[in-house]
Amino acid sequence: AQSVAQPEDQVNVAEGNPLTVKCTYSVSGNPYLFWYVQYPNRGLQFLLKYITGDNLVKGSYGFEAEFNKSQTSFHLKKPSALVSDSALYFCAVRDGNYGQNFVFGPGTRLSVLP
Amino acid sequence: NAGVTQTPKFRILKIGQSMTLQCTQDMNHNYMYWYRQDPGMGLKLIYYSVGAGITDKGEVPNGYNVSRSTTEDFPLRLELAAPSQTSVYFCASSYGVGTDILFYGYTFGSGTRLTVV
Repeated sequence: AQSVAQPEDQVNVAEGNPLTVKCTYSVSGNPYLFWYVQYPNRGLQFLLKYITGDNLVKGSYGFEAEFNKSQTSFHLKKPSALVSDSALYFCAVRDGNYGQNFVFGPGTRLSVLP
Repeated sequence: NAGVTQTPKFRILKIGQSMTLQCTQDMNHNYMYWYRQDPGMGLKLIYYSVGAGITDKGEVPNGYNVSRSTTEDFPLRLELAAPSQTSVYFCASSYGVGTDILFYGYTFGSGTRLTVV
């Protein structure tokens, strides 16, 4: 069965500092990995994905994520955080070998302090 | 380009009432989904559809029903509302091509906040 863990409920970082939001996953086949962001009273918005290829993927708003197969992780990163990055971030995984549906992590709330 | 549109945005139901949450997408996506979001629990899949006339249960289908008569519409029906159905409901859609799916991610609606009292 597929599963996703986001070990931190909350991440606080000062504006201008680098940020990391952690995600680990479990699938039996090849993983499809996504990050979504949710702003208050809004739906989830796509940030970036890893399907195949380079382990470092770049996405919207300056975010990037590194796929690490040996550690089964897909951590979200940004070199310099903005106050406007404050939101709820969800990691999602799908087993690429079968099925269509994604499993979402519980979410991590990022607060960027001015 | 409207994307995925959900109505209503907010609703309060009494226990035992029923209602339909509407979802429409204009991107010609073949896959559509209904999720519920509970605090600290992430998103749970209720039902999904791989095309018009085809629906299937997700992780938490009890108390809900769906239909998919057209590509565009995927309404979610709550019969006999219960307090446990208080949640935020999200509709999403995606594009899949045959068995070798090129996945572009989901497009989500803005959600329906439902309270059952």
